[in-house]
Amino acid sequence: DIQMTQSPSSLSASVGDRVTITCQASQDISNYLNWYQQKPGKAPKLLIYDASNLETGVPSRFSGSGSGTDFTFTISSLQPEDIATYYCQQYDNLKTFGQGTKLEIK
Amino acid sequence: QVQLQESGPGLVKPSETLSLTCAVSGYSISSGYYWGWIRQPPGKGLEWIGSIYHSGSTYYNPSLKSRVTISVDTSKNQFSLKLSSVTAADTAVYYCARDDAPLRYWGQGTLVTVSS
Repeated sequence: DIQMTQSPSSLSASVGDRVTITCQASQDISNYLNWYQQKPGKAPKLLIYDASNLETGVPSRFSGSGSGTDFTFTISSLQPEDIATYYCQQYDNLKTFGQGTKLEIK
Repeated sequence: QVQLQESGPGLVKPSETLSLTCAVSGYSISSGYYWGWIRQPPGKGLEWIGSIYHSGSTYYNPSLKSRVTISVDTSKNQFSLKLSSVTAADTAVYYCARDDAPLRYWGQGTLVTVSS
């Protein structure tokens, strides 16, 4: 099984800050990595697919990078509506989610 | 616009079988893609359960495989989840989704509680 280790588990930042979340796979997954945003009481929403592709309609302040085992998700300028929990997910072999990063406003 | 809607009992007794259905609108399941189930225990993270192709081909999370059956009914444009021998640990919000490899379209989720 492929394990996904996401860090940090929680993060507090100010509006306008640059925010970075990392995700590490237990083995090489190429670029088969997606990022989701989940707000309380809502279904997750796809933001980034194939490690670095921005989903249609998602603001350009969101971005992703990486390949192999190490991946990064970035919000270039944090907005109040970005408060949510973020998950990475691999699909190289079946599907596995990271444990999530809860993002709060400082 | 692709839409998914989960339905089924909100309360299931321990040792019984959890059964949920996901109705799809705005897209014909017969046209392609996999269709999947994901769950989220209260206050916890996401767990992929399994996915099915319109032909009936399935793949499951190994940790749940012995208890899970996913099936598809193309005539009703829906797919279903059965999880047997449930315990309190199976209490969760259950989501269905179109599995494009990314999980691009999701239902709103339905809470299933396992309790006597």
